[in-house]
Amino acid sequence: DTEVTQTPKHLVMGMTNKKSLKCEQHMGHRAMYWYKQKAKKPPELMFVYSYEKLSINESVPSRFSPECPNSSLLNLHLHALQPEDSALYLCASSQFATLVLRQNTGELFFGEGSRLTVL
Amino acid sequence: AQTVTQSQPEMSVQEAETVTLSCTYDTSESDYYLFWYKQPPSRQMILVIRQEAYKQQNATENRFSVNFQKAAKSFSLKISDSQLGDAAMYFCAYRSAGSGYALNFGKGTSLLVTP
Repeated sequence: DTEVTQTPKHLVMGMTNKKSLKCEQHMGHRAMYWYKQKAKKPPELMFVYSYEKLSINESVPSRFSPECPNSSLLNLHLHALQPEDSALYLCASSQFATLVLRQNTGELFFGEGSRLTVL
Repeated sequence: AQTVTQSQPEMSVQEAETVTLSCTYDTSESDYYLFWYKQPPSRQMILVIRQEAYKQQNATENRFSVNFQKAAKSFSLKISDSQLGDAAMYFCAYRSAGSGYALNFGKGTSLLVTP
């Protein structure tokens, strides 16, 4: 199984709503990521989890709250979002967050993304 | 911080022809990984090809091959016998070995394949 599964695929929410995006992988990967992608732009890193601990927060506003309940699951809790937060949110996983040269393949496996629209 | 530059925002190729997408990067590191990812309109990022910097041999995956020039910090992707299904956004990405938590992406090249 080389899949990263994200739900929901589409989400529309108001600025006062609370919602969550979910991500799941069963490849035994120990690193999981959230990226944000605007149309026709590259993905921008938001968070990195390594062994279920938050390793990197790229100065993301607190209205985005990540959670890693176990090594297979990654959530992104959304609250009081702004219309400019509308984007494609991509989850990814990799074997490890830091690489051992010549022992890791290094790539990230991506899910299909959750398309978020904030009204 | 490492930067990745894709100088071609858009490229076009006819079916069955060959096209080359350019990528350059800036780094002071000697050990790293380079990738090409494809993102079709269906939006999932799919790995096309991977190159480890310590390997001198250029990576190939079926119709996809790279020209890796480490001294020039260049990593171009060649697509041979282009197919309609190759139409997508292509991102070049860099990842440090050791301290590289995540991928640094270029801005992408949109590839159009015409019949």
